[in-house]
Amino acid sequence: AQSVDQPDAHVTLYEGASLELRCSYSYSAAPYLFWYVQYPGQSLQFLLKYITGDAVVKGTKGFEAEFRKSNSSFNLKKSPAHWSDSAKYFCALENTGYQNFYFGKGTSLTVIP
Amino acid sequence: EAAVTQSPRNKVAVTGGKVTLSCNQTNNHNNMYWYRQDTGHGLRLIHYSYGAGSTEKGDIPDGYKASRPSQENFSLILELATPSQTSVYFCASGDADRTEVFFGKGTRLTVV
Repeated sequence: AQSVDQPDAHVTLYEGASLELRCSYSYSAAPYLFWYVQYPGQSLQFLLKYITGDAVVKGTKGFEAEFRKSNSSFNLKKSPAHWSDSAKYFCALENTGYQNFYFGKGTSLTVIP
Repeated sequence: EAAVTQSPRNKVAVTGGKVTLSCNQTNNHNNMYWYRQDTGHGLRLIHYSYGAGSTEKGDIPDGYKASRPSQENFSLILELATPSQTSVYFCASGDADRTEVFFGKGTRLTVV
């Protein structure tokens, strides 16, 4: 069965540190993977996606993610982190052919100034 | 810029009452989605649609109906609202495979 797991419900770090938010997936076909961000009281915004090609994809707001087929992961990274990055981050997997998406439970990131 | 508009933004309903959440998109996207967001669950897909006249069941369709009368509009209907349906509901639109979806600002529904 297809699924997305974000094992860390909360991550806290200091401004200037490097951030890495973990995402793993289970899917029988080639995965199409996405990251979204949700700022407090707001809706979800697209950050980046992996479809095919280079394992490292770059997105908006200085974020990038690395696709690793070997361990079915798609971790989100940014260096350095800024206090304005504090938000909830969702990893998503497209259910190919049905054009809908599975979302992880999200990771709440707090960046301390 | 892609736009998805939800109404109402906040709603308090009584148990057993009928609730309709509306969504309008001006992106000319074929696909539209209704998700609910609850603490500890992330986003869960309720219904989705591939175009006018089409509705499909998502992962948690029980207790919900959907209607897509036009390309632009997609409604979520709770015929008999229950307190367990208290949640934040997000509508989204998107196009073919491998493209991102665009989300509305959400509707906070409280069923008392």
